[in-house]
Amino acid sequence: AQKITQTQPGMFVQEKEAVTLDCTYDTSDPSYGLFWYKQPSSGEMIFLIYQGSYDQQNATEGRYSLNFQKARKSANLVISASQLGDSAMYFCAMREALDSNYQLIWGAGTKLIIKP
Amino acid sequence: DTAVSQTPKYLVTQMGNDKSIKCEQNLGHDTMYWYKQDSKKFLKIMFSYNNKELIINETVPNRFSPKSPDKAHLNLHINSLELGDSAVYFCASSLRGSGSAMTDTQYFGPGTRLTVL
Repeated sequence: AQKITQTQPGMFVQEKEAVTLDCTYDTSDPSYGLFWYKQPSSGEMIFLIYQGSYDQQNATEGRYSLNFQKARKSANLVISASQLGDSAMYFCAMREALDSNYQLIWGAGTKLIIKP
Repeated sequence: DTAVSQTPKYLVTQMGNDKSIKCEQNLGHDTMYWYKQDSKKFLKIMFSYNNKELIINETVPNRFSPKSPDKAHLNLHINSLELGDSAVYFCASSLRGSGSAMTDTQYFGPGTRLTVL
């Protein structure tokens, strides 16, 4: 079974609108961390935001926020006031505390295109 | 002041050749990684080194051999290249590996696009 599922292979959004990128995860470990990365067309992987399973509040970083719904096992990335430069692939990843090597488990990504 | 650097950025070579990709990080991190990203953008961990010790060695053909001369460098050598090795290879580093905190964030290099003809 997939541990990280990103159900939207691609999305088109109008500039300045808010965007929600879906990520659901599957784990029986009570302690885990969730990460979002951005990969623009230039190819580099850029860390955006982190949410820990025990964090009381949803993580925020500038225009990025994480809509963390633990009971639903979802960690959706919200981008407010989207910009053309937000066009990129977005990856959700998870780390489980029970994995002694603390590997990241990656989703397949969502390609976001912002329309002017 | 590049944090994680890789060379070369592009590598085009013939089947059967041997090639190396170099990675260096100046973040003072203890752990380094190699990932392969295929044409569908799926990321797969290949290797991880913590303080020059191999801690992750996923199911990768033994034609791939990582080498870590010191904790700031992790090179990837590939023997007898095959068409299926064509991909983007990413190096990454993080402050701590095994036994690290959950928040340990991986920082990526720019990637090396390998094309095998």
